[in-house]
Amino acid sequence: EAQVTQNPRYLITVTGKKLTVTCSQNMNHEYMSWYRQDPGLGLRQIYYSMNVEVTDKGDVPEGYKVSRKEKRNFPLILESPSPNQTSLYFCASSYGLGFTTFFGQGTRLTVV
Amino acid sequence: DQQVKQNSPSLSVQEGRISILNCDYTNSMFDYFLWYKKYPAEGPTFLISISSIKDKNEDGRFTVFLNKSAKHLSLHIVPSQPGDSAVYFCAASATGNQFYFGTGTSLTVIP
Repeated sequence: EAQVTQNPRYLITVTGKKLTVTCSQNMNHEYMSWYRQDPGLGLRQIYYSMNVEVTDKGDVPEGYKVSRKEKRNFPLILESPSPNQTSLYFCASSYGLGFTTFFGQGTRLTVV
Repeated sequence: DQQVKQNSPSLSVQEGRISILNCDYTNSMFDYFLWYKKYPAEGPTFLISISSIKDKNEDGRFTVFLNKSAKHLSLHIVPSQPGDSAVYFCAASATGNQFYFGTGTSLTVIP
C-alpha cells in the first residue's frame, strides 16, 4: 500500500531536549516536504527536498533541521525544541509538481 | 503575511446542493493551485489542481475555477454529499517546490 509513515504520532517533550520525527515513503518519490499546522494559520511549509542530498527552506524553517540521505526518508530534527514549536506536523511526498501529493497522518508535538 | 487566504472559516450546505469554497491569493507569480481535503486525525488528501494556463478543471463532482485577474479560485462540489464534510485547504505555488496554504474552510454537508 502506498503510504507516508510518520513516527511518533504523538510526542510530549520538554524544552531543549533534542528530538527527531521520522518520515518514510514507499513510493520512490523524489519530492518530500514537512509542514506544520496551527489554528488560524493553516499549513505552513518548513522544509522541502527535491531529491537525495537536496534540501531547501520553506516558509518557516527557523528552529528545524532536515536531512535527506536516502530517497525514502526525510526526518525532521528539532535540536532545541521550544514551546512555540508545539504543533501538528505533516510529512508529504510526491513525484513532483503535477503529481498527487501524499501526506502522512501527522505528528502532534507538545513542548512544555 | 498570508499569501493564500480562505476568508470563510466554515460553510454549511444541504445534501444535494452545491458547495462553493473560495480562496484568494496575493502573489501574482503563483501558477499552480491545489485543493486538499482533510478529515480529523488524518493527513490532507489531494483533491484537484489547476495550472494558470487554464481557468477551469473538472474531476467528477469537483470543479476548480481560476480567475487570474482577480487572483481568486473556487472549488465547486456538486452535488454535495455528507461524506464531503471536512476541512478544505487551497494551496498555491510559484516554483513547484514551495507551497503556500490557506487557513482552511470547514465544510458541513447536512443530510
